[in-house]
Amino acid sequence: DAGVIQSPRHEVTEMGQEVTLRCKPISGHNSLFWYRQTMMRGLELLIYFNNNVPIDDSGMPEDRFSAKMPNASFSTLKIQPSEPRDSAVYFCASRPGSGNTGELFFGEGSRLTVL
Amino acid sequence: AQSVTQLGSHVSVSEGALVLLRCNYSSSVPPYLFWYVQYPNQGLQLLLKYTSAATLVKGINGFEAEFKKSETSFHLTKPSAHMRDAAEYFCAVTRKGNKLVFGAGTILRVKS
Repeated sequence: DAGVIQSPRHEVTEMGQEVTLRCKPISGHNSLFWYRQTMMRGLELLIYFNNNVPIDDSGMPEDRFSAKMPNASFSTLKIQPSEPRDSAVYFCASRPGSGNTGELFFGEGSRLTVL
Repeated sequence: AQSVTQLGSHVSVSEGALVLLRCNYSSSVPPYLFWYVQYPNQGLQLLLKYTSAATLVKGINGFEAEFKKSETSFHLTKPSAHMRDAAEYFCAVTRKGNKLVFGAGTILRVKS
């Protein structure tokens, strides 16, 4: 079975540019999570969706960040405009069922570098 | 609110020695607890989880963890370290259906 698929795996961009990260969750999973990982802050939950509906976006750092889940098989995380402090690895994870015991399945991450 | 504290950002052991990675949790209700492992340039993988069944949980790659309510701990152990165990390990806590909160991580180094 295919796992969580993220693209791009690596992105290098210049400050001020728009960045779009993409995620395809595991088929049949009802919940999707976006995490950011940095050396300074560790793993931070940015936002999560249940059945394509955003449930908690309190971790989204600023209005420059937005996330969408138009259907059960696709989600995007957009940063506009990007800044050097946004450089991090962004992980998408999915989970089967909203009442599950919380096991998440992670993608391999998108490493973003903003110059 | 739930949280976990991992004691020690770096742990170094010799190959064949006992591995002990510490995790203490804070939760107002019975928690679900997890250990994840992250190898370089990869996403996180589940090692094991505690969901209020047996307090001693066995996971993959020879790891196990014991839930101790009296100590609010969920320490990860492995009797004999192998070079391939070198990675970063994350403890995490949630309540049923809620979001998963991760600890800061512990980097395990295995010396030959």
